[in-house]
Amino acid sequence: ETGVTQSPTHLIKTRGQQVTLRCSSQSGHNTVSWYQQALGQGPQFIFQYYREEENGRGNFPPRFSGLQFPNYSSELNVNALELDDSALYLCASSRGQGAGETQYFGPGTRLLVL
Amino acid sequence: EDQVTQSPEALRLQEGESSSLNCSYTVSGLRGLFWYRQDPGKGPEFLFTLYSAGEEKEKERLKATLTKKESFLHITAPKPEDSATYLCAVRTNAGKSTFGDGTTLTVKP
Repeated sequence: ETGVTQSPTHLIKTRGQQVTLRCSSQSGHNTVSWYQQALGQGPQFIFQYYREEENGRGNFPPRFSGLQFPNYSSELNVNALELDDSALYLCASSRGQGAGETQYFGPGTRLLVL
Repeated sequence: EDQVTQSPEALRLQEGESSSLNCSYTVSGLRGLFWYRQDPGKGPEFLFTLYSAGEEKEKERLKATLTKKESFLHITAPKPEDSATYLCAVRTNAGKSTFGDGTTLTVKP
């Protein structure tokens, strides 16, 4: 198992609500990336944080936002939830922001939007 | 746009029956190709990183290879515990990761 932890493990929300997911990175890692994984598909890159700043973003609308804290833990916030936001949300940490750095994933948060 | 295609979508093998999984990619400025294993309801588990064409990595029954257009994950004499979804991902100079949709491997005893 990696040292990446995520909370909560499962979450049920209704359409229009807001949600915050949390991630603690592996010791010694300063970069965190967030992914959305729909059932039967590969993870889709949402964004990456390095030293508390967003330094890369995938094709997700602005209602997906994040934070990284001085201890390198991170939050993913999603506003105005839609039914299609139902997915497994994965956090991955790495030693640095370099494109060749290996990312280690947490167990994920399963979000269901009703 | 970066693209990663994995084939086959699903693969059923008998225990001991060796085979290969394919990952084809089209990207600008490949910085690394990554293989992960994912069990149902869990996060991806890192297996290998390949950086340049011709590179090979091995771990137990798994061997990953890389060319300029594709990567293969060879599974030798698989066991039922090798059953999982195997994901391939590429990262570019822009730092963006693109994943394929995976190959779901089932190994029957």
